[in-house]
Amino acid sequence: KNEVEQSPQNLTAQEGEFITINCSYSVGISALHWLQQHPGGGIVSLFMLSSGKKKHGRLIATINIQEKHSSLHITASHPRDSAVYICAVRVGGQKLVFGQGTRLTINP
Amino acid sequence: DTAVSQTPKYLVTQMGNDKSIKCEQNLGHDTMYWYKQDSKKFLKIMFSYNNKELIINETVPNRFSPKSPDKAHLNLHINSLELGDSAVYFCASSPRTEYGYTFGSGTRLTVV
Repeated sequence: KNEVEQSPQNLTAQEGEFITINCSYSVGISALHWLQQHPGGGIVSLFMLSSGKKKHGRLIATINIQEKHSSLHITASHPRDSAVYICAVRVGGQKLVFGQGTRLTINP
Repeated sequence: DTAVSQTPKYLVTQMGNDKSIKCEQNLGHDTMYWYKQDSKKFLKIMFSYNNKELIINETVPNRFSPKSPDKAHLNLHINSLELGDSAVYFCASSPRTEYGYTFGSGTRLTVV
């Protein structure tokens, strides 16, 4: 079993829907990252969290350290949000351990 | 200016060859990384250097050797390439305070 588990693995929704992607981890961490990988392959760092909640535009990320759980929400989803969203946790200082990714498809 | 640049973007080579992938960052970050993304899109850390010093060396075959001539560069040399080495290799960097990571665009290596 991977130290970082994401759900769902695949998600298809209609434009405008509210999207939630979940991430659970089983190890002690110093921070959690949400990354976005576009169909072209490039990876962009969306958020780094160590507690609470962060918001950037239509994206919101939350983390519950006690429950070892984080969620990424997208409000008013748009086809350009279609990508793979990856949760990664920072352990042992500099090392990132990745979830398997959630493939999101937003249909117009 | 690209923040983290990797070359080449695509690399097709035969089994047994030796190849290198170069990475350069102009962000002034102290730490650089190599990650491997397999065919199932799963990312795993390979190496990390902090200011030219190796700090993470995961269970990677000895055929893989990172080289950091200065803190802005981290190259990956692979000897005796095997079919299983086919993957996308990402370079990344982060500041000492670990605010976030900046990734290169990836190098798709295909071993035939």
